[in-house]
Amino acid sequence: QVQLVESGGGLVKPGGSLRLSCAASGFIFSDYYVSWVRQAPGKGLEWVSYISDTSTRTNYADSVRGRFTISRDNAQNSLYLQMNSLRADDTAVYYCARVAAPLGFNDYWGQGILVTVSS
Amino acid sequence: EIVMTQSPATLSVSPGERVTLSCRASQSVSSKLAWYRQKPGQAPRLLIYGASTRATGIPARFSGSGSETEFTLTISSLQPEDFGVYYCQQYNIWLTFGGGTKVEIK
Repeated sequence: QVQLVESGGGLVKPGGSLRLSCAASGFIFSDYYVSWVRQAPGKGLEWVSYISDTSTRTNYADSVRGRFTISRDNAQNSLYLQMNSLRADDTAVYYCARVAAPLGFNDYWGQGILVTVSS
Repeated sequence: EIVMTQSPATLSVSPGERVTLSCRASQSVSSKLAWYRQKPGQAPRLLIYGASTRATGIPARFSGSGSETEFTLTISSLQPEDFGVYYCQQYNIWLTFGGGTKVEIK
């Protein structure tokens, strides 16, 4: 079955960096776009970034563009999110999610990983 | 950016009741609209895509309708496991989510 497992979250100070990872299994990872979606405590869902199957296309929400970088390693069935210049409003649960079709909806989600930005 | 507006914000419902949730887009998204349900402490789960197609394993009591800017998710008879927060998402131009509708026990 499709599984997505995030790791790398934790507590970081404002201005710091963190790298999230997502390990995929149960499907042909290299065939799919994948994305990151986040949810601040008690708030709704916010799309953060996506990357195409061959890494040729990426896009970011305005709130993270220039600070976050999405990447993938198809040989390792892994997705990454490098987060730099972190701010308090980046505090959220970050979900890795498979994209069902190019720039489409998310059909499978990981369990999420908490990132807390605080001094 | 396309803004998605969901109503109501909260809905108090008894098990067995019929539930109708609304989602409005600030401009046309064609039929590129998905619905998700999220339970506390869990990831969202896909319910509906293409405005009206049920995702794998989703029971027939869930139905979606609408196009362009007005969409509806209907649950014909609410079951105890259906309580949670429901989000709509447009994927016609980039991706945006609505603010959610919380379905709680009356």
